[in-house]
Amino acid sequence: QQQVKQSPQSLIVQKGGISIINCAYENTAFDYFPWYQQFPGKGPALLIAIRPDVSEKKEGRFTISFNKSAKQFSLHIMDSQPGDSATYFCAASILGRWMDSSYKLIFGSGTRLLVRP
Amino acid sequence: NAGVMQNPRHLVRRRGQEARLRCSPMKGHSHVYWYRQLPEEGLKFMVYLQKENIIDESGMPKERFSAEFPKEGPSILRIQQVVRGDSAAYFCASSPFSVGDDEQFFGPGTRLTVL
Repeated sequence: QQQVKQSPQSLIVQKGGISIINCAYENTAFDYFPWYQQFPGKGPALLIAIRPDVSEKKEGRFTISFNKSAKQFSLHIMDSQPGDSATYFCAASILGRWMDSSYKLIFGSGTRLLVRP
Repeated sequence: NAGVMQNPRHLVRRRGQEARLRCSPMKGHSHVYWYRQLPEEGLKFMVYLQKENIIDESGMPKERFSAEFPKEGPSILRIQQVVRGDSAAYFCASSPFSVGDDEQFFGPGTRLTVL
């Protein structure tokens, strides 16, 4: 119930191509879905996030598509660049705004993206 | 505004020793999370603290692990009698959690190696 399943495990894309990473969840109480980018030896950094009241959110070359009925969401990286080579994690959380809410992030297992020049 | 700070960045301990990991949240943030990342895996939630309170420790092993976030000073994750399976990267994240601020900001992590 608390799991977030992420695929693929690794992805190789040519420069200029589109990178697509998919995630699925079971817990319908999740109401916050961020994507994090992590470079080797660094901590994760927030890339883009979406709430379930919208089906798509775009920031620059990064787009989240959200399908509430299928309980799936995906990250699309347009015009992928070698500098995008990193590990990407999807996550989910229950924000709730209740006093005893935890707000903890449940992470997917990660996708290692390599963008070839 | 300095980001989340963690120290030490690398820590080597022998089996049976104690490990103390420190996390200083971003200025103005009063919520701290600890996550553990095993090699080639995603991050797993361990504990969520507010100043002087543990809110959720559902991800923390019941034995040998403890966490605190005192009124003054950094948050501490303490691992007693470390074993080889404790070798991992430990990340701290902080958040202000006022309305509209949902982002957790992560520190650079402490990489613990148990010999």
